[in-house]
Amino acid sequence: EAQVTQNPRYLITVTGKKLTVTCSQNMNHEYMSWYRQDPGLGLRQIYYSMNVEVTDKGDVPEGYKVSRKEKRNFPLILESPSPNQTSLYFCASSRVLAGGPHEQYFGPGTRLTVT
Amino acid sequence: GQQLNQSPQSMFIQEGEDVSMNCTSSSIFNTWLWYKQEPGEGPVLLIALYKAGELTSNGRLTAQFGITRKDSFLNISASIPSDVGIYFCAGHNAGNNRKLIWGLGTSLAVNP
Repeated sequence: EAQVTQNPRYLITVTGKKLTVTCSQNMNHEYMSWYRQDPGLGLRQIYYSMNVEVTDKGDVPEGYKVSRKEKRNFPLILESPSPNQTSLYFCASSRVLAGGPHEQYFGPGTRLTVT
Repeated sequence: GQQLNQSPQSMFIQEGEDVSMNCTSSSIFNTWLWYKQEPGEGPVLLIALYKAGELTSNGRLTAQFGITRKDSFLNISASIPSDVGIYFCAGHNAGNNRKLIWGLGTSLAVNP
């Protein structure tokens, strides 16, 4: 089954404790992306990757890191989480068409709470 | 970053009614996508549009790519309770197609 998986689905942590949210897709997609979703603000892109070893900042990259060492995986790293990073996070993947992401498939989400 | 203007922000309708929502942009778009998000889940693609004037259906859902390339519409006919969710529009700006631009969503509630 074609899918995007994220782990963990739920995470409660404390300020400053480094964490990683994993994302994996089995569709051989070139493009992967991380979004955060907050009430009233919609989906905001954090980082994206056009292919292996190619990453770029989205609209809200501060406080986050990513890596793309393999095509299927795109982990999101919070080196020193803060309460304002409490949010619902989504990973998405797609093929690349005409130099940009084609129809994106989303993971089930990771709800992060930073106290 | 740029966002699309999506309206209405929310709708509360009776089962069986038709629904219309739309998205507008200040710039020309090459692609329009419509997603639905149900509680506790990620957005799911409903309809993708690639050509100005294109009209595409997916069951009771119909979407159109505006001829000006600056807007798109989604219609749901004969709504049912499982249509409840948040509907998002998204698209590729012709000037920068490396990322999708998103609307803030239309929240739909259906009264059985």
